[in-house]
Amino acid sequence: DVKVTQSSRYLVKRTGEKVFLECVQDMDHENMFWYRQDPGLGLRLIYFSYDVKMKEKGDIPEGYSVSREKKERFSLILESASTNQTSMYLCASSPSSPVQDYGYTFGSGTRLTVV
Amino acid sequence: DQQVKQNSPSLSVQEGRISILNCDYTNSMFDYFLWYKKYPAEGPTFLISISSIKDKNEDGRFTVFLNKSAKHLSLHIVPSQPGDSAVYFCAAGVPNFGNEKLTFGTGTRLTIIP
Repeated sequence: DVKVTQSSRYLVKRTGEKVFLECVQDMDHENMFWYRQDPGLGLRLIYFSYDVKMKEKGDIPEGYSVSREKKERFSLILESASTNQTSMYLCASSPSSPVQDYGYTFGSGTRLTVV
Repeated sequence: DQQVKQNSPSLSVQEGRISILNCDYTNSMFDYFLWYKKYPAEGPTFLISISSIKDKNEDGRFTVFLNKSAKHLSLHIVPSQPGDSAVYFCAAGVPNFGNEKLTFGTGTRLTIIP
């Protein structure tokens, strides 16, 4: 069964901490994405990557950075966590082929609380 | 600027009846649309998609309708079952040689009443 695995289901961090959210996929997908889900706002794209060492900003990149050193792993970094970054974070991957055929495969999400 | 909108945050439907979830978009460049279903504490799962060259796509109990002139799509679930209770997101994309990012709507929470 194909999988996108997010390392933590729940995280609680303090304001100002540097936070790493890890995502690993086993499908050999080229594309990987980080979204956050907030009530009333849906899923918003933070960053995405089409290839190793490549990254592009999504709609809400401020306060975040990413790293993709290996094809299967895509990390989201909160440089200095703030309370407005409390959210559900969702990682997704897709092959480099028409997305409409199969969509993205999502991980189960990481619920991050910043106190 | 919300390019994909789901104006109903929630919907309750009797088991066995039809559920209709709606989605509107503003970007005329969107060329295909998808529906995702999300249970609590799980990631969204792909349900069904439609290309802009079609106005209808069916898969079992799920049918998606697209009205390009109105920039509107809808998901019909018939008959509705208790397991359909979830949050539904519509998403839209623009072809880009496989390097495509989806724009998601705000979601509609569907509750099926037994």
